[in-house]
Amino acid sequence: DSGVTQTPKHLITATGQRVTLRCSPRSGDLSVYWYQQSLDQGLQFLIQYYNGEERAKGNILERFSAQQFPDLHSELNLSSLELGDSALYFCASSVEGRLAGKTDTQYFGPGTRLTVL
Amino acid sequence: AQKITQTQPGMFVQEKEAVTLDCTYDTSDPSYGLFWYKQPSSGEMIFLIYQGSYDQQNATEGRYSLNFQKARKSANLVISASQLGDSAMYFCAMRATSGTYKYIFGTGTRLKVLA
Repeated sequence: DSGVTQTPKHLITATGQRVTLRCSPRSGDLSVYWYQQSLDQGLQFLIQYYNGEERAKGNILERFSAQQFPDLHSELNLSSLELGDSALYFCASSVEGRLAGKTDTQYFGPGTRLTVL
Repeated sequence: AQKITQTQPGMFVQEKEAVTLDCTYDTSDPSYGLFWYKQPSSGEMIFLIYQGSYDQQNATEGRYSLNFQKARKSANLVISASQLGDSAMYFCAMRATSGTYKYIFGTGTRLKVLA
């Protein structure tokens, strides 16, 4: 158990819908990261927050948005869902988020498996 | 541009033998960190080992060690005394201090340990 929690574990929805994925980082971690893992795309970095502020942005679609709240939990919002959005969505957290040291080690949550029908 | 390359899509190893999973990286940043993760069939991503670019010694964590060759820009993971539970997907990742602070992941190597 990494200490990172994600809810829900599974989500099945229809095209065009909107969903929210939730993540609680490990105690003491200030950075939260979101990733998408699909079979044909590997692990894709979406976005990082550090202490409530956006720090880095990856291949995140405009239909997707995220935020980190004052209590450091984070939510990833996916809207106008398409079949291709079906994937495993990971949240990860790290103590730091600005350097390349061991304190930047990311610990991953169990993931949310999203199925869009 | 920063890049991670894992050239072995799949590998087999006999139980109790050692295995090396290859990882090469590319960055112009002098300060960076290299990470290895394991993803079993259950799906979770498990952190295994970290190597800093300025670390003088190769990192070790139990049965895992990292063969870090800075000049060749390689960071191979060595698993000693393989166990059936080591069967999983293994990802190499890098983070540099400059640029966008993103983690870059390789495409992974699927390891199968044979009894």
